[in-house]
Parts: sequence; structure tokens; C-alpha cells
Amino acid sequence: DAKTTQPPSMDCAEGRAANLPCNHSTISGNEYVYWYRQIHSQGPQYIIHGLKNNETNEMASLIITEDRKSSTLILPHATLRDTAVYYCIVRVARRATNKLIFGTGTLLAVQP
Amino acid sequence: ETGVTQTPRHLVMGMTNKKSLKCEQHLGHNAMYWYKQSAKKPLELMFVYSLEERVENNSVPSRFSPECPNSSHLFLHLHTLQPEDSALYLCASSQRSQEYGYTFGSGTRLTVV
Repeated sequence: DAKTTQPPSMDCAEGRAANLPCNHSTISGNEYVYWYRQIHSQGPQYIIHGLKNNETNEMASLIITEDRKSSTLILPHATLRDTAVYYCIVRVARRATNKLIFGTGTLLAVQP
Repeated sequence: ETGVTQTPRHLVMGMTNKKSLKCEQHLGHNAMYWYKQSAKKPLELMFVYSLEERVENNSVPSRFSPECPNSSHLFLHLHTLQPEDSALYLCASSQRSQEYGYTFGSGTRLTVV
């Protein structure tokens, strides 16, 4: 699976949009981009995933560049409860044991 | 409630004890996983089970022994652990042949004294 690069930490003011970047310059054509987050001492929580097109759900939006070498997770109106470590992972989907491998992620601190 | 339930939530055990961690999923998934998260470290994948067959063991010491009796249950049997094995142990499940990711439990916080 391709490797990803994320900034170690970011701050965001409460109520503002949080834009979390991820570089995955070696991504393959059949690899999806997944985002998870982990609130302190809890299990990771799935946020969103995409292949080529931009995606949106009730939690966030995912913007993938046309060359697919980078993406941005957008939390439109960050709250204090969004403070967490955010992981960007690329992997081939639909394969039985294709592992979800976590890096160090980005610690997002939402400030009041 | 995430659909993946882990028990106990907290466990303190001595180095000579034998204990087991339990994971149960109610999502109809057919693959299950154990991860370990030590303090200030990324999650490490320990074991992968697909259709109740262990398909991966990432060089985990034999003092950790997984068991998957059916597609809904996963155990991690622990014996003669070391203090450095203290960590958050997370269980996850997923569905083969679907692009959706994993669902994680809340974890068991293990302290070895």
C-alpha cells in the first residue's frame, strides 16, 4: 500500500473549517483514500473514503486532486469534540485481507 | 455503540497471570483484527482473521494467542506478559469484497504489573 504524509499537528478555531492535508504521491490506480480519526484512548472512527471523485457525508468532505497525489479532509464547522488524531490511509479496497495500516496522523486541536 | 464490543474495558494483570480479551461484532462482517497501541505510538496490526482463519501474524510473541471460534467472536489469550505489553488493545471487523473500511471497538486498556 502507498505511503502517506501528514503534518503532525494543526490548530483550528471552533466554528471554522478545518482543512487537513495528506500527500500520497505513490498512490496506485486501484487504491482508495480513507480517513479515520481517533479521539483520545478510543478506537479509531471511520470518517470518509474516496477513489477519484470528491466525496461528502454528514461528517466531512474529501477533496482529491485530479492527479490523486494528495487529498484534503474538510470538517466544515469544527467543534471541540473534533479534537482528535486524524489518519489518512491509502489501500486497495475489496480485497479480503488488505490491511489498514496506520501512520502517525495529524493531531487536530480545536481551540475555543 | 459501534457494533464492535470489547470486554473488559480495563484490565490489570500480573506477569504470571493468564487472561483473555474478548471481541464481539454484530455487523455480519467476516474478517476480524487485533491491533495494539502503545503510548505515543501508531496502531500496530497484530493478527488478521478472514472467515475464521488466521491469515496474518505480524511477528507477535507467542505470549499472545488469538482465537476466532466463529465470524462474530475474536479472543486474545494472554499469558506471562511483560510490563512493556501494557497498551490499548483494539479489535476491528470488516466485510470482505466491500470497499468500506473497518469498524473498531473501544478497546481494552491493559496494564501489566
